[in-house]
Amino acid sequence: GAGVSQSPSNKVTEKGKDVELRCDPISGHTALYWYRQRLGQGLEFLIYFQGNSAPDKSGLPSDRFSAERTGESVSTLTIQRTQQEDSAVYLCASSLVLLAGYNEQFFGPGTRLTVL
Amino acid sequence: GENVEQHPSTLSVQEGDSAVIKCTYSDSASNYFPWYKQELGKGPQLIIDIRSNVGEKKDQRIAVTLNKTAKHFSLHITETQPEDSAVYFCAASKRTSGTYKYIFGTGTRLKVLA
Repeated sequence: GAGVSQSPSNKVTEKGKDVELRCDPISGHTALYWYRQRLGQGLEFLIYFQGNSAPDKSGLPSDRFSAERTGESVSTLTIQRTQQEDSAVYLCASSLVLLAGYNEQFFGPGTRLTVL
Repeated sequence: GENVEQHPSTLSVQEGDSAVIKCTYSDSASNYFPWYKQELGKGPQLIIDIRSNVGEKKDQRIAVTLNKTAKHFSLHITETQPEDSAVYFCAASKRTSGTYKYIFGTGTRLKVLA
């Protein structure tokens, strides 16, 4: 079946512009995560959505970052007034939520954002 | 705060040799430890995982060990092949207020030399 898809795959923007990144999770996956991966670094948690619960926004680095998800479908990550330090690969992952807490995350291919 | 340390950052081995990557976590409440492989230009993919009630798990050429007392877990790849070359990430997870939080290590770039 289809995996997690993200669009665009690459985005080049000018400093100060707003960007919107999209994630299509696996159908039926109630949990959705956004991560940031700077060059040569690990995955930095940004935000987590679980069904209709309030999202966990504890990883968002500043108020320029926001994300939305409609129900259990598509999510968009918006970065306003982009800065050069926002340049990174933004990864989306989705998962089922199992009672025992052992839920495999399935990652999309990422969006590579370059801020000039 | 919670963190996961991963070593080494780079590892080169000859084809056929074994590779070992080690991680240490800080939060003793973590109960799930997945390992991901990330190939160039792709998202990470789960290769093996271990739960806190198990000390070791093996799947063909890869194995993971967990020492809860020391808060260490390790990935072992035997009989390495060129296609094993990738970046490997460990992670520690627990459920916190309904959220399944994953803390990732900084990654190990493995190069298998033919």
